[in-house]
Amino acid sequence: AQSVTQLGSHVSVSEGALVLLRCNYSSSVPPYLFWYVQYPNQGLQLLLKYTTGATLVKGINGFEAEFKKSETSFHLTKPSAHMSDAAEYFCAVSGPGGGNKLTFGTGTQLKVEL
Amino acid sequence: NAGVTQTPKFRILKIGQSMTLQCTQDMNHNYMYWYRQDPGMGLKLIYYSVGAGITDKGEVPNGYNVSRSTTEDFPLRLELAAPSQTSVYFCASSPPTGDTEAFFGQGTRLTVV
Repeated sequence: AQSVTQLGSHVSVSEGALVLLRCNYSSSVPPYLFWYVQYPNQGLQLLLKYTTGATLVKGINGFEAEFKKSETSFHLTKPSAHMSDAAEYFCAVSGPGGGNKLTFGTGTQLKVEL
Repeated sequence: NAGVTQTPKFRILKIGQSMTLQCTQDMNHNYMYWYRQDPGMGLKLIYYSVGAGITDKGEVPNGYNVSRSTTEDFPLRLELAAPSQTSVYFCASSPPTGDTEAFFGQGTRLTVV
């Protein structure tokens, strides 16, 4: 069975500071990995995904994530936080051959302060 | 382009009542899903469907039922609502390939009192 662990349910950064949201996964086979963002009272929107190929993936709004198989990690980063980045972020995993059933982490609420 | 549409957006139910959460997608996706979101718990899969006429249980199916008579629609039925079903419900759809993301509706906020 697949699982996802997001360390830190709440992260607070200053505007302009580095954003680092952590995600570790467990999977018996190479997974597909996703980061979704949820703004208040909204649905989930895809930020970026890793399927195959280049391990550093770039997404929308200046976010990127690096797939590190040896560390079973897929941390999300952004060099400079903006107030508009305040939202909840979910890491998710699905498996090849298993359809698109996503297994989600518990989410990280990002707060951006002036 | 509508994507995934859920109705209603908000609903208050009394204990023991029943209701159907509607979900429709216009992307011709084979796969559809129902998730519930509870604070601090992430999203949990309730039911999913890989095509019309085919449904299967997810992680937390108890108290819910689904049907899939068309590619477009995937309603979620709550029978005998309980306070534990107070949650935000999301419907999603995706193509069958596992490397493609799921597209989510805006959610239905349900309160059972």
